[in-house]
Amino acid sequence: EAQVTQNPRYLITVTGKKLTVTCSQNMNHEYMSWYRQDPGLGLRQIYYSMNVEVTDKGDVPEGYKVSRKEKRNFPLILESPSPNQTSLYFCASSSGTDTYNEQFFGPGTRLTVL
Amino acid sequence: ILNVEQSPQSLHVQEGDSTNFTCSFPSSNFYALHWYRWETAKSPEALFVMTLNGDEKKKGRISATLNTKEGYSYLYIKGSQPEDSATYLCAFDDMRFGAGTRLTVKP
Repeated sequence: EAQVTQNPRYLITVTGKKLTVTCSQNMNHEYMSWYRQDPGLGLRQIYYSMNVEVTDKGDVPEGYKVSRKEKRNFPLILESPSPNQTSLYFCASSSGTDTYNEQFFGPGTRLTVL
Repeated sequence: ILNVEQSPQSLHVQEGDSTNFTCSFPSSNFYALHWYRWETAKSPEALFVMTLNGDEKKKGRISATLNTKEGYSYLYIKGSQPEDSATYLCAFDDMRFGAGTRLTVKP
């Protein structure tokens, strides 16, 4: 089954404790991205990657890191999480880098930073 | 940051009603406008991608129109059903999302 998977789905952590949210897709997609969703706001792009070893900042990259060492994986790293990073996070992938390609979203990761 | 605005923020309709809502976006440098359907506790799923002024797309009872010159798109749902209850998101160039319209259809 074609899908985007994220782990963990739920995470409660404390300020300053490094964490990684994994994202994997099995569709051989070139384009992958991370979004956060907060109440009253749309999905805001954190980082995106157009291919292996190519990553770029989105609209809200501060406090986050990503890597794209393999085509299928695009982990999101929070080196020192803070409470303002409490949010719902979505990973997404797309078959192409053109803006008319639809994105496929993972199930979401709900993160709480205390 | 380019602003994508959706209205209304939420909408409650009765089963069988037809409804529509709006996505407004910057009209300059337009490439594509996407609509996604996002059910509670699930992932957003693509409905339509629209690229040309005057585009009309349809999927079952749901349809969408696009006006790139004035910067808006309408999403229409004909004969709403409870299973249409979801948040409908639009995205400009598929990376700038509006806050969504939350639709609730009452049986």
